This record gives sequence, structure tokens and C-alpha cells, in this order.
Amino acid sequence: EAGVAQSPRYKIIEKRQSVAFWCNPISGHATLYWYQQILGQGPKLLIQFQNNGVVDDSQLPKDRFSAERLKGVDSTLKIQPAKLEDSAVYLCASSPPGTSGPQAPLKETQYFGPGTRLLVL
Amino acid sequence: QKEVEQDPGPLSVPEGAIVSLNCTYSNSAFQYFMWYRQYSRKGPELLMYTYSSGNKEDGRFTAQVDKSSKYISLFIRDSQPSDSATYLCAMIRTATGAGSYQLTFGKGTKLSVIP
Repeated sequence: EAGVAQSPRYKIIEKRQSVAFWCNPISGHATLYWYQQILGQGPKLLIQFQNNGVVDDSQLPKDRFSAERLKGVDSTLKIQPAKLEDSAVYLCASSPPGTSGPQAPLKETQYFGPGTRLLVL
Repeated sequence: QKEVEQDPGPLSVPEGAIVSLNCTYSNSAFQYFMWYRQYSRKGPELLMYTYSSGNKEDGRFTAQVDKSSKYISLFIRDSQPSDSATYLCAMIRTATGAGSYQLTFGKGTKLSVIP
């Protein structure tokens, strides 16, 4: 089974420039997540999609970040304009369709891609 | 106070040692507990998960949850150089519906196992 694919793997930009990241989840996975992982920190959820609808974007800095998941498969995350503090690894994760019961959260395991390492100068 | 606290280390141990990694949490709504392993320049991968208090063993790894103390642990027996990675604890609140389970991560503990 192919894993979560992300591109590019690395990106260096200057502040105030724009940048976009792409994610292709595991086939058949309905839920897609974007995380930001700053050096020395755990991943922080930015946005969660269920198919092509947004479930939660409460931690997405909407003045500069945007994300979409057209057709419920691939997703893009954009930053415009970038700030120095946006330097981080951007991780995409996907999980299989929902189940029911108390064990459901454990069955809907999130599978992470390798991430895109962004450096803003 | 952060919801999930984890000592970032770094932790350095000799090969063959028993490693103990820990997290504490403040929100009693957390009911599901995971440990992820993250190698350098890779995404996190799920190592173990548990729903209830007690121990769960998988090979050299044992996950322990004490909900009364809001404390979780991961033990690695006979540690190997290939175990060198960052270990992240993660938690999910009580389920509110299919497809909405969000992970809250600790900072991660960087482990080095020296040959």
C-alpha cells in the first residue's frame, strides 16, 4: 500500500513570498489533516478535512494560510505572505473511513507523510 | 499549563538498556493514548496505542497508562541503535463522532541509543 505522498520535500523562500505544499493521501482515506511541526515541538493540527469538506480549521491562521481539498482526494496548503515564524515542517496525514464504537478512534489511525521542510529567510 | 507535557530530553542510553519515556496530561477528557516514533526527516509513525488504563505489550515495547494520575509511559527493553528517534506521545479526547478524532501531541523526547 502506497503511503501519504507530499511535495516538495524542501522549500526555501524569503519572507513575504508565497508557497504551496501538495499532499496525496492513501487511497480510500476520507480524512486528511495538515499539521505544522516547529523544531523541537510536537505536530500542531492546522486543518482537518472529511472528504472535501472542512471539519476543523480553528488553528489555521486564516489571514495568511489557506487549504483546499478538491474532489476529496489531493490537498494543497498555501501560505501567502510567509513570515519568519512559519519556518517548520508541514506534515500531511490521512486516516481511513469512520467506524463506530469506543475503539473507533484507534481504528482510524492517522498515517503521516514525510513532510515538507520550509525555511523562511 | 499545556494539555500534554513531555520532557524533550535529549536522552542518551547504551545499547541494551531499558528506556522509560513519559508524558503527563491535564485534561481528563483524553481517553485514547498513542506513542509515535519519528525518525529524522521522516513523518511520525504509530508505534502503540491503548484505550484503557493498564499495560499493553508489543515485543520490546510496553505502553502503560495510569488515568488516575494522568500519566502515560513507554518502556523499551533491550534498546537498539535503530530505536534512536524522537518519541511523541499523543492523545485523543472522548470520541464525538466518526472521522473527527484529533491528536494532541507532546513535544517529543529525542532518544539516542549508543552502540
